[in-house]
Amino acid sequence: EAQVTQNPRYLITVTGKKLTVTCSQNMNHEYMSWYRQDPGLGLRQIYYSMNVEVTDKGDVPEGYKVSRKEKRNFPLILESPSPNQTSLYFCASSTTIGHTSNQPQHFGDGTRLSIL
Amino acid sequence: AQKITQTQPGMFVQEKEAVTLDCTYDTSDPSYGLFWYKQPSSGEMIFLIYQGSYDQQNATEGRYSLNFQKARKSANLVISASQLGDSAMYFCAMISDTGFQKLVFGTGTRLLVSP
Repeated sequence: EAQVTQNPRYLITVTGKKLTVTCSQNMNHEYMSWYRQDPGLGLRQIYYSMNVEVTDKGDVPEGYKVSRKEKRNFPLILESPSPNQTSLYFCASSTTIGHTSNQPQHFGDGTRLSIL
Repeated sequence: AQKITQTQPGMFVQEKEAVTLDCTYDTSDPSYGLFWYKQPSSGEMIFLIYQGSYDQQNATEGRYSLNFQKARKSANLVISASQLGDSAMYFCAMISDTGFQKLVFGTGTRLLVSP
């Protein structure tokens, strides 16, 4: 089954304790991305990756790191989490295309992070 | 800069009736795509329908149709024959050639379907 898998689904942690949210896709997609969802703001892009070893900042990258060492994995790293990073996080993937297409981004089920 | 505006924070509809969820967008790119996603209370994002900027006809997918008015920059989602399971948050989103695959989302509309 084609899917994007995020782990953990839920996490409560404390300020400053490094954490990693994993994301894995089995569709051989080149493009992967992280979004955060906050009430009243919709989803905003944090980082994206066009392919292995190619990553770039989205709209709200501060406080986050990513890596893309393998095509299927795109972990999101919070080196020193703070309460303002409490949010619902989504990983997404799609085929890389040179122009706009009808290929939707496939989303993981989300990770709800609470930073105390 | 690209922007999506959803002006309806919440909508109510009775079961079996049709409902229109509004979406307007702003972009200077000539080529772009518009998507609608559904987010039920369980949290996952479910792709519903896509409309390309050069598509001549409005997109349809089962009970979902997209009322695309390019000159007005609107891409409203129409759900026909609403069902209780349609109760969810609905997001309009846009992607463009120059956006590096980034989906720009609106703030969403919460739809409640009553029996």
